[in-house]
Amino acid sequence: KAGVTQTPRYLIKTRGQQVTLSCSPISGHRSVSWYQQTPGQGLQFLFEYFSETQRNKGNFPGRFSGRQFSNSRSEMNVSTLELGDSALYLCASSLPPAEAFFGQGTRLTVV
Amino acid sequence: QKEVEQDPGPLSVPEGAIVSLNCTYSNSAFQYFMWYRQYSRKGPELLMYTYSSGNKEDGRFTAQVDKSSKYISLFIRDSQPSDSATYLCAMSFGGNTPLVFGKGTRLSVIA
Repeated sequence: KAGVTQTPRYLIKTRGQQVTLSCSPISGHRSVSWYQQTPGQGLQFLFEYFSETQRNKGNFPGRFSGRQFSNSRSEMNVSTLELGDSALYLCASSLPPAEAFFGQGTRLTVV
Repeated sequence: QKEVEQDPGPLSVPEGAIVSLNCTYSNSAFQYFMWYRQYSRKGPELLMYTYSSGNKEDGRFTAQVDKSSKYISLFIRDSQPSDSATYLCAMSFGGNTPLVFGKGTRLSVIA
């Protein structure tokens, strides 16, 4: 069974640009969550989608947004990039009630 | 006070040692407890998943949850150099709520 697939693996963007990251969950999983991982803050929850609806949202500014498609694939978008947005962005697909399986992540560097 | 506290280490042990990794938490409403292993430049990999208090064993790994003390542990028996990684504890309230992570403990097993 294929795992969670995230693309691209690495990105370098300039301050002020926007970026879109993609996640394909494990087949049959309908819940997709996004997390940001930094050395200082660890893993922090961004948002979760289930059946194309945002079900939970973390404490991040509105520049961070996401969506989910009918095939459960998800994208997250960060607009007006700041240096502090440099991080590993992780996508997880979940089985109820709490098991979450992570992808390899997208390493975003903002310069 | 952070919701989930985890000693960042680094923890260095000789091959074959028993490793004990721990997390404390402040919110008694957490119901699900997980341990993830993360190798450098990879996404977190789910190792163990426990509901409420008690022990769970899987091969060389044993997870313990003591809800009365708000304390969880992961024991690794007969540690191997391939166990060298960062270990993250995570917990949730269940009901599709997001995971709350500790910051991880970096473990090195020396051959």
